[in-house]
Amino acid sequence: DTGVSQDPRHKITKRGQNVTFRCDPISEHNRLYWYRQTLGQGPEFLTYFQNEAQLEKSRLLSDRFSAERPKGSFSTLEIQRTEQGDSAMYLCASSRSSSNQPQHFGDGTRLSIL
Amino acid sequence: AQTVTQSQPEMSVQEAETVTLSCTYDTSESDYYLFWYKQPPSRQMILVIRQEAYKQQNATENRFSVNFQKAAKSFSLKISDSQLGDAAMYFCAMGSGGSNYKLTFGKGTLLTVNP
Repeated sequence: DTGVSQDPRHKITKRGQNVTFRCDPISEHNRLYWYRQTLGQGPEFLTYFQNEAQLEKSRLLSDRFSAERPKGSFSTLEIQRTEQGDSAMYLCASSRSSSNQPQHFGDGTRLSIL
Repeated sequence: AQTVTQSQPEMSVQEAETVTLSCTYDTSESDYYLFWYKQPPSRQMILVIRQEAYKQQNATENRFSVNFQKAAKSFSLKISDSQLGDAAMYFCAMGSGGSNYKLTFGKGTLLTVNP
């Protein structure tokens, strides 16, 4: 169990630029989740994958956001035309698909928009 | 819609003492799970303890235990013999959506442990 890995740890970019984050889940976990955490708040659910299928997207995930998990292993989260309000910590988690299995979180990617 | 409420933004405890963090929730689901996660500063979120809603017995994990009151929709965390390493932000969360895929978090309680 090497844990959930996220890259990069920090990303600073100018408003209007595109950014992409990567998440590598725990190898035997077939579920992968993305959350967003703003300062002073708990994480908010964005989307989740069961293997390569994206099964739900939150209303928080606007058209500028897209997530993929092409081979059912790692996942990417892309934000196009970034805005000031996108500044947040983006957390990835993974789990087995059994209902009682907890989600294991990565360290997160902190996005700062200038 | 599910909601999780943590009414204590900050708590403090003396080392070796006991502290209780409060959490209430609301859901229309009958099958759900409740969790406490710990997030130390600049470090990853770690699962502390979990409780299945269908189990009446309160979960315990070493110095951590919960008081689960299903009718009152209350799920508090008790930390016994507090240690300096317990200092962190604690989040209460609820998992639902059939197979527990979507976690709804509270806003967190920042716990300070005083030596």
